[in-house]
Amino acid sequence: AQKVTQAQTEISVVEKEDVTLDCVYETRDTTYYLFWYKQPPSGELVFLIRRNSFDEQNEISGRYSWNFQKSTSSFNFTITASQVVDSAVYFCALSAWGSTLGRLYFGRGTQLTVWP
Amino acid sequence: EAQVTQNPRYLITVTGKKLTVTCSQNMNHEYMSWYRQDPGLGLRQIYYSMNVEVTDKGDVPEGYKVSRKEKRNFPLILESPSPNQTSLYFCASSRYAGTENTGELFFGEGSRLTVL
Repeated sequence: AQKVTQAQTEISVVEKEDVTLDCVYETRDTTYYLFWYKQPPSGELVFLIRRNSFDEQNEISGRYSWNFQKSTSSFNFTITASQVVDSAVYFCALSAWGSTLGRLYFGRGTQLTVWP
Repeated sequence: EAQVTQNPRYLITVTGKKLTVTCSQNMNHEYMSWYRQDPGLGLRQIYYSMNVEVTDKGDVPEGYKVSRKEKRNFPLILESPSPNQTSLYFCASSRYAGTENTGELFFGEGSRLTVL
């Protein structure tokens, strides 16, 4: 079975703090993709990153970075020097090849609030 | 402009009155999918379609129907809506090349449905 767990329901930080959002996944497939999406207060869903199971290189994009570790089945997301505009719900998601091809499994999301 | 368009954006209806939420994309994407978002549950997949005339159930298909007669359109049909279908609905599309779903889903703006 495919599953994504985001244990942190809500996180509050003060501007300029670093914050890490955790994502743990479960799959028996060897080929899979992991994603992060952002949902700001306006409600739209915005794609942030995709990672495939064969690429464990960490990724950095400006203040955002992602740490993929197959050994712990985790795909964590760090925002450095957070800003108020980072306030949003963040979703981690999993898509796997195999019997569930075409399915995309989302975690329940982490509400991040950044205070000025 | 590349987009996924959902209509209506907001709807209040009564139990049992059939309704259709339309979804159209202008990116020539093969893959389309419907999700519902409920507080504390994240996004759950209702149905998805790999291509024209090909549809499959997601996690929560009960009470919903879909069709994919044309590549650009993927309507969600509630034949007999019930209050537990009150939710925020998202349609999404992505390019689907062979057995690889790129995963960069483009989401519509969402349709907030209330069933009384």
